[in-house]
Amino acid sequence: EVQLVESGGDLVQPGGSLRLSCAASGFTFSTFWMTWVRQAPGKGLEWVANIKKDGSEIYYVDSVRGRFTISRDNAKNSLFLQMNSLRAEDTAVYYCVTGQSIAYWGQGTLVTVSS
Amino acid sequence: DIQMTQSPSSLSASVGDRVTITCRASQGIRSDLGWYQQKPGKAPKRLIYAASSLQSGVPSRFSGSGSGTAFTLTISSLQPEDFATYYCLQHNNYPLTFGGGTKVEIK
Repeated sequence: EVQLVESGGDLVQPGGSLRLSCAASGFTFSTFWMTWVRQAPGKGLEWVANIKKDGSEIYYVDSVRGRFTISRDNAKNSLFLQMNSLRAEDTAVYYCVTGQSIAYWGQGTLVTVSS
Repeated sequence: DIQMTQSPSSLSASVGDRVTITCRASQGIRSDLGWYQQKPGKAPKRLIYAASSLQSGVPSRFSGSGSGTAFTLTISSLQPEDFATYYCLQHNNYPLTFGGGTKVEIK
């Protein structure tokens, strides 16, 4: 069974940084693209970034490019999202999901950016 | 960017009703489309992939159709557990984009 467990969400001040992690199990992590999707409170879904199986290709939504960095550690079956220069509009639940076509979802971790 | 226009944004229906939700892409996306169901406080769950393929474990009352720019999710006979918000997603081109969502409520 595919399991994705996010962690690292917290309350942070504007301009601050946070690193999200996602622990994957139940599938061969190194053979899948991985993706982060977010959802602001009461709003719809927004794709944030994804990364190829070996990390050789990475894509970001314009609103986070230059501030967020997606990475992975295939030896530890883990996905990461380093978030810098955080803004109020980054407040959301962040989901770790499998694949470019977005199949399986974790339960999410809440990031709140507020002073 | 490819815009996904989803309609309606909300609907009221009764148990047993046939429900249809539509997504239109601003340009052709072949069949690179998925449908997701989200219940309050929960993560989304994929129902349909490749526009018309049923995800394993999803009831057969859910079906998807379309290709190119016009897509449909149909629930043939609405059940109490189907009251939720539904989203489409295109993964043909970056940035990946979701529709705005359709909230299905009890009439």
